[in-house]
Amino acid sequence: DTGVSQDPRHKITKRGQNVTFRCDPISEHNRLYWYRQTLGQGPEFLTYFQNEAQLEKSRLLSDRFSAERPKGSFSTLEIQRTEQGDSAMYLCASSPPLGQYEQYFGPGTRLTVT
Amino acid sequence: GESVGLHLPTLSVQEGDNSIINCAYSNSASDYFIWYKQESGKGPQFIIDIRSNMDKRQGQRVTVLLNKTVKHLSLQIAATQPGDSAVYFCAETKPTSGSRLTFGEGTQLTVNP
Repeated sequence: DTGVSQDPRHKITKRGQNVTFRCDPISEHNRLYWYRQTLGQGPEFLTYFQNEAQLEKSRLLSDRFSAERPKGSFSTLEIQRTEQGDSAMYLCASSPPLGQYEQYFGPGTRLTVT
Repeated sequence: GESVGLHLPTLSVQEGDNSIINCAYSNSASDYFIWYKQESGKGPQFIIDIRSNMDKRQGQRVTVLLNKTVKHLSLQIAATQPGDSAVYFCAETKPTSGSRLTFGEGTQLTVNP
């Protein structure tokens, strides 16, 4: 499978715990995006990387959210001190080099905070 | 503020009929649009895209129409099949946004056999 992959697919955690999600983009794609989707809504942009540089993070929901892409390949999204309102689907997408705008999404990580 | 919205939350059609899903966008600076299909429990699946310098683009069984005058986008699905049942989102982006996508709320398409 050469698409975007995400791990884990499901995560159940207790309020106050930290969680980390991983995204592996399509191999030749240098841009990587994180989105959050709640039930019945469209995905909401969080942050994105071009190679290892995080070019926008102002849309991260709070300072409890952080993302990294240390080697310009896979990325991680961490949520510290989870709250019940963090329960959502976290989606990763990747995109080819500049000049092509289409984004291809992974299957998502479903987070449930109890 | 910026938003991309859809006219109808649900659409029900008979198998074999053509489907038309509509989308209105508010940002006239948007220059690229994508339609996604999302099945339950899965990530959005790219269907077709269109740039603002075009008004029509065709794919396999799908056509996207763009009317920049009224800021309206539509997805036409020919000979709709049960496997087309899903939520459909339009998304838009513009060059200065880093290509981040702004999504609408989606239309649930149900195809009845």
